[in-house]
Amino acid sequence: NAGVTQTPKFQVLKTGQSMTLQCAQDMNHEYMSWYRQDPGMGLRLIHYSVGAGITDQGEVPNGYNVSRSTTEDFPLRLLSAAPSQTSVYFCASSATSDTQYFGPGTRLTVL
Amino acid sequence: GDSVTQMEGPVTLSEEAFLTINCTYTATGYPSLFWYVQYPGEGLQLLLKATKADDKGSNKGFEATYRKETTSFHLEKGSVQVSDSAVYFCALSDRTGGSYIPTFGRGTSLIVHP
Repeated sequence: NAGVTQTPKFQVLKTGQSMTLQCAQDMNHEYMSWYRQDPGMGLRLIHYSVGAGITDQGEVPNGYNVSRSTTEDFPLRLLSAAPSQTSVYFCASSATSDTQYFGPGTRLTVL
Repeated sequence: GDSVTQMEGPVTLSEEAFLTINCTYTATGYPSLFWYVQYPGEGLQLLLKATKADDKGSNKGFEATYRKETTSFHLEKGSVQVSDSAVYFCALSDRTGGSYIPTFGRGTSLIVHP
């Protein structure tokens, strides 16, 4: 049981490049979320999903896309990277809206 | 809407000191309350939780009591260790309004010196 896994752990992009952050969970959780963490800002919700095929926007969705084709996977796509997207990204899952299980994070730098 | 307010850090203590990190909340329904801990370079992990008024959550020497009358969930530990240095997040989860997403505080950094 690996819990929530995220890849890559580190990534450096140039402005304008696109990429996908991967997130997978093996706990059969319905709910999955993406957060970004910036100094002094706490956690900010980007997108979330309440089940396969269902996604919705969070607090800071601009510049990011998501899809949920399976229960296990919830990738986050950066369409055209900008320096403002330099951050640490966390994926989380839960069986209800109760305890959240977080991945180890992806540290992204956009030059 | 729901919100969580926790004391700003960093909180700096010497080893074996008493710790309190304050957390207050506003919610429209009857939320569950949580404390998560984030060690350097890692993701958040659940430290403890309480699901109804007057419940006490506890883990690893940390405690927090769900106080509905004061809408608070303060985190305490009697004797901190250097290994407790981390960022602590207070959070609530309230499904009364149909929301599936928890609300987090901004986090409080704890630094414990030997």
